[in-house]
Amino acid sequence: RKEVEQDPGPFNVPEGATVAFNCTYSNSASQSFFWYRQDCRKEPKLLMSVYSSGNEDGRFTAQLNRASQYISLLIRDSKLSDSATYLCVVTYNNNDMRFGAGTRLTVKP
Amino acid sequence: DAGVTQSPTHLIKTRGQQVTLRCSPKSGHDTVSWYQQVLGQGPQFIFQYYEKEERGRGNFPDRFSARQFPNYSSELNVNALLLGDSALYLCASSLGPVSYEQYFGPGTRLTVT
Repeated sequence: RKEVEQDPGPFNVPEGATVAFNCTYSNSASQSFFWYRQDCRKEPKLLMSVYSSGNEDGRFTAQLNRASQYISLLIRDSKLSDSATYLCVVTYNNNDMRFGAGTRLTVKP
Repeated sequence: DAGVTQSPTHLIKTRGQQVTLRCSPKSGHDTVSWYQQVLGQGPQFIFQYYEKEERGRGNFPDRFSARQFPNYSSELNVNALLLGDSALYLCASSLGPVSYEQYFGPGTRLTVT
């Protein structure tokens, strides 16, 4: 079983749609959680941190469920510019970041 | 404000050769981490360096080594290249070894033939 698992997609949604991505992790000692975004043939960029209390940044909402070892990302009112691969990241031992394989999103006009 | 830079951008090597990749961290950052990203996968952690010392190591063979210089720049070396080493090698920098806000460079795309 992979340490960080994501549905690879692709998710093809129309502009304005709401889309949700899920991620599960296997190591209960995991300390911190993030979503990164990676555009085609570009480097990953931090999208947002994920907290148990949930956090929201504009159209993006991230949630963590430690008991179920599950992380989610919700994107509301999708824009064409949201098209990218979304990487779930779990860290432990303070400096060991484990990335999921990513979920590809395409937003169509 | 200079971001993370990496060189070269692309590289083609043959099996058995050795390669050195270079990274300069974002201005003000003192920690560098290296990742390998194979097509269709997420980045895999190779090393982290802080204060010129290795602070973390992923599950990679001893053919992979790295070092950090006094100006915080870093080099990743891979010896005895295998076809499976073909990947995008990403460098990320941060302020301190436990800062999770990492800034990635554009990567070096290595092809081993």
